[in-house]
Amino acid sequence: GAVVSQHPSWVICKSGTSVKIECRSLDFQATTMFWYRQFPKQSLMLMATSNEGSKATYEQGVEKDKFLINHASLTLSTLTVTSAHPEDSSFYICSATIGLLQETQYFGPGTRLLVL
Amino acid sequence: RKEVEQDPGPFNVPEGATVAFNCTYSNSASQSFFWYRQDCRKEPKLLMSVYSSGNEDGRFTAQLNRASQYISLLIRDSKLSDSATYLCVVNMRGNYQLIWGAGTKLIIKP
Repeated sequence: GAVVSQHPSWVICKSGTSVKIECRSLDFQATTMFWYRQFPKQSLMLMATSNEGSKATYEQGVEKDKFLINHASLTLSTLTVTSAHPEDSSFYICSATIGLLQETQYFGPGTRLLVL
Repeated sequence: RKEVEQDPGPFNVPEGATVAFNCTYSNSASQSFFWYRQDCRKEPKLLMSVYSSGNEDGRFTAQLNRASQYISLLIRDSKLSDSATYLCVVNMRGNYQLIWGAGTKLIIKP
């Protein structure tokens, strides 16, 4: 149980376009979903936390107008990278928690974004 | 100083050997500790939680030293499949945020 999927797994796009990444909890309802970004040889960096039906909480330094997060249901959160640029190329990973056990995060397989 | 620090490695270890690496954390209020494993181009996967008394799971042993603020991971009888990056993760109880180390790369050689 506790499977999280992400779609797409790979994205290559031109600079200036917007890219939407979906994160779904397949067999459970996720109280909270998290979006991370990981650059090569670096640690995961939390971008934002989203709860169903409310606005996402962004970490310091993350532009909320550039990284739009929508959490429409307890099983789906989306991250849209608007007007993507080459420096946005990264590995984007979502995770989800169940109920109060927020220390246990279930990770999606990640989405690798390459902006040309 | 980074909140969670790890030696990036790589640690090149022959198959069958024992290898250990540490992770230091800066916030003494940290309450929960984890080791995750991340394979190349994949998401991290929980390897084991680290308990105050230390814990073992098969060939893997995790230890916590609160006085010196570090946790360790020991791998015995290493296998080729143990090759991965091992991420140290710290959490403060009541706070959802996980603080991640940059990882230690381990390469097991035949």
